[in-house]
Amino acid sequence: GAGVSQSPSNKVTEKGKDVELRCDPISGHTALYWYRQSLGQGLEFLIYFQGNSAPDKSGLPSDRFSAERTGGSVSTLTIQRTQQEDSAVYLCASSLSRGGSTGELFFGEGSRLTVL
Amino acid sequence: AQTVTQSQPEMSVQEAETVTLSCTYDTSESNYYLFWYKQPPSRQMILVIRQEAYKQQNATENRFSVNFQKAAKSFSLKISDSQLGDTAMYFCALRGGTSYGKLTFGQGTILTVHP
Repeated sequence: GAGVSQSPSNKVTEKGKDVELRCDPISGHTALYWYRQSLGQGLEFLIYFQGNSAPDKSGLPSDRFSAERTGGSVSTLTIQRTQQEDSAVYLCASSLSRGGSTGELFFGEGSRLTVL
Repeated sequence: AQTVTQSQPEMSVQEAETVTLSCTYDTSESNYYLFWYKQPPSRQMILVIRQEAYKQQNATENRFSVNFQKAAKSFSLKISDSQLGDTAMYFCALRGGTSYGKLTFGQGTILTVHP
């Protein structure tokens, strides 16, 4: 597609349920990032994938969070046993390589998660 | 560790006027990149302008320009001739020269342009 695509756009779930968020990066982009944006706060880095290298998971807040990237393209962020504090907008971004020489990331519109 | 601070939670400006958004940062790296991103209500983050730390000249993109003060670790965004479409959340972000595309973001500034 022309841009980074994320689904679902909005997700409402009950506390304790598992959720999956999907990201389809720009074709040809080898780097993929997940960020979390909580209400009234900036963006918090979660995880980064670069080609076939091991992902940088240093931003994942707990072991309930995991992500995978299949075939170097589509990525899925999974949150198990959701808690109310997981409510946020989850943003996905992609870039050509290691952000190229300028580090520009292209973002999707995000998935808004609400945990009741 | 890298930090980015935006001290203005909200700003407002009249259409056609000029507004400046503030950003300060801290990093131990000698080479790094600074960015301003715009997030309209649609939620999609859009790159407004970038600055490479080793370049002394301030970056400019049409109505958007920065005032980069490296010694003071300050990176403010000036929007000239403000337009209604500039209404959005603006984020300042930092990427170290060795930390690939991982960006550290500030808290954001909500800018409202009034007609």
